[in-house]
Amino acid sequence: AQRVTQPEKLLSVFKGAPVELKCNYSYSGSPELFWYVQYSRQRLQLLLRHISRESIKGFTADLNKGETSFHLKKPFAQEEDSAMYYCALRRYGGSQGNLIFGKGTKLSVKP
Amino acid sequence: AAGVIQSPRHLIKEKRETATLKCYPIPRHDTVYWYQQGPGQDPQFLISFYEKMQSDKGSIPDRFSAQQFSDYHSELNMSSLELGDSALYFCASSQGTGSGYGYTFGSGTRLTVV
Repeated sequence: AQRVTQPEKLLSVFKGAPVELKCNYSYSGSPELFWYVQYSRQRLQLLLRHISRESIKGFTADLNKGETSFHLKKPFAQEEDSAMYYCALRRYGGSQGNLIFGKGTKLSVKP
Repeated sequence: AAGVIQSPRHLIKEKRETATLKCYPIPRHDTVYWYQQGPGQDPQFLISFYEKMQSDKGSIPDRFSAQQFSDYHSELNMSSLELGDSALYFCASSQGTGSGYGYTFGSGTRLTVV
């Protein structure tokens, strides 16, 4: 079964510290992985897609198929990074393109 | 740039009433997804439509129904509302359903059932 696991419900760091939000997945085929950010119950905003290999707001994520992981990293956290972060997996093939979300990790960056 | 528009932003209903949520996708997007996010919960996929046909179904209760119209907007109809239906309902749209087509989420409709 397809599943996304985010083991940490809450991650609290000080400003300037490195951040790593963990995401592991299980999927029988080739996955498409995303990170979404949600500020104060606002809309979900796309942060990263693994296929584009880009860096947004200083965040990066690398898909590790051997470890089935897609951890989100940032070398120096900022207070404005405080938000809920959701890792999501997309199953595709045919007409099924919906996202499967992890439970989310709340990142709190303290001054 | 135009985004995904959802209306209303907030809705308060009583138990056993009905509610209709609307979603207007980004122009030229032909696929719409509905998600439900309960308090402190991750978004749960409800249902999706591609080219006005239902393309996938998730954890949508039988009391709910949805459709996509000829102009590609979608409506989620919810009947016999229960307290547990109180949640943030997101709509997302994309151009196609395959790999590489990005999603854009709307701001959501916050439904409160009292």
